[in-house]
Amino acid sequence: DADVTQTPRNRITKTGKRIMLECSQTKGHDRMYWYRQDPGLGLRLIYYSFDVKDINKGEISDGYSVSRQAQAKFSLSLESAIPNQTALYFCATSDPSTLDYGYTFGSGTRLTVV
Amino acid sequence: GEDVEQSLFLSVREGDSSVINCTYTDSSSTYLYWYKQEPGAGLQLLTYIFSNMDMKQDQRLTVLLNKKDKHLSLRIADTQTGDSAIYFCAESIGQAGTALIFGKGTTLSVSS
Repeated sequence: DADVTQTPRNRITKTGKRIMLECSQTKGHDRMYWYRQDPGLGLRLIYYSFDVKDINKGEISDGYSVSRQAQAKFSLSLESAIPNQTALYFCATSDPSTLDYGYTFGSGTRLTVV
Repeated sequence: GEDVEQSLFLSVREGDSSVINCTYTDSSSTYLYWYKQEPGAGLQLLTYIFSNMDMKQDQRLTVLLNKKDKHLSLRIADTQTGDSAIYFCAESIGQAGTALIFGKGTTLSVSS
């Protein structure tokens, strides 16, 4: 099994619908992240969490919310999806006590909003 | 705020060396990273360098860091068609690597 698992892998949804992207990890890392990738824009940080009671906004948090249900689970919600939220979404974990901080990325969720 | 800049495209011939450049703004970055993304795939960590190093070599990859100019480069020797991908430079920001900030990515195209 992958260390960081994202579900679903692909999703098509309609404008205005609420959608949740899920991320679970077996790394035992406290830190978890959600990034969004758009062609030509690289990866941009949406939200991050350092433990269950800690949630922080990233560069582009508007239109998104997150929930850290447990150390191993971090979900991203779009309350009312819009077409410009069509993107590839990555979840990641890290461990600041390890060399290079041990960033580990999931395989991504491709979301299309029509 | 923090920013990471890369050129968007690089085209080389098979067998040549490729050099991908990156500039960053956070002088307190502890680690700098290079990630590779092949078409339709996720992110693969290629290599990283600690901020107190000038150079790191790993097989065909050489990373050079000029901390004074906040400039990072990735050299790929003997570039192959399988090296065609998007390459992202990233810096760790904040205390103990709060998060990664990525550049927009450089698309490397290798022709035979």
